[in-house]
Amino acid sequence: AQSVTQPDIHITVSEGASLELRCNYSYGATPYLFWYVQSPGQGLQLLLKYFSGDTLVQGIKGFEAEFKRSQSSFNLRKPSVHWSDAAEYFCAVGNYDYKLSFGAGTTVTVRA
Amino acid sequence: GAVVSQHPSRVICKSGTSVKIECRSLDFQATTMFWYRQFPKQSLMLMATSNEGSKATYEQGVEKDKFLINHASLTLSTLTVTSAHPEDSSFYICSARIGASTDTQYFGPGTRLTVL
Repeated sequence: AQSVTQPDIHITVSEGASLELRCNYSYGATPYLFWYVQSPGQGLQLLLKYFSGDTLVQGIKGFEAEFKRSQSSFNLRKPSVHWSDAAEYFCAVGNYDYKLSFGAGTTVTVRA
Repeated sequence: GAVVSQHPSRVICKSGTSVKIECRSLDFQATTMFWYRQFPKQSLMLMATSNEGSKATYEQGVEKDKFLINHASLTLSTLTVTSAHPEDSSFYICSARIGASTDTQYFGPGTRLTVL
């Protein structure tokens, strides 16, 4: 069975500072990995995804994530956070049928 | 981009009544739709997979007689919570996928159900 762990429930970061959100997955085969962002009143928006190839994936809004098979991790990063990045972030792993299993999410608060 | 809507955004009902939630893909045809449930500060839990014209596939532990799913067209799926009880109160989210082998799901904004 596939599963995702997001160790950090809540992260507070200053505007302009860098951000890293951790994600560890458990899956028997090659995983399909996703990061989504959820803002109040809006649906989950796909930030980026990894299927194969280059392990450093670029996404929208200046986000990137790195797949590390040896660590079963897919951490999300952004070099400089903007106030509009305050939201809930979810890591997800998908199987061959693209059914998604989500982590518990990380709430990001951005302080001025 | 692909847009998915849900209606209603919020609903409050009395215990024992049934509630229907609609999920629509506005600018694309969705061969597959998914229904999730999200508890406060918790992850999204997949409830069922809905394919147009066929019966929904429910995840283990989800009561199919309680959560009725109908995918009547390529743009509409409905979730009916039958004989709702307070423990059914939750945030219900749908997503839609364009093709059978497409990896990307487009999510609706969710429906907050409160059962009194």
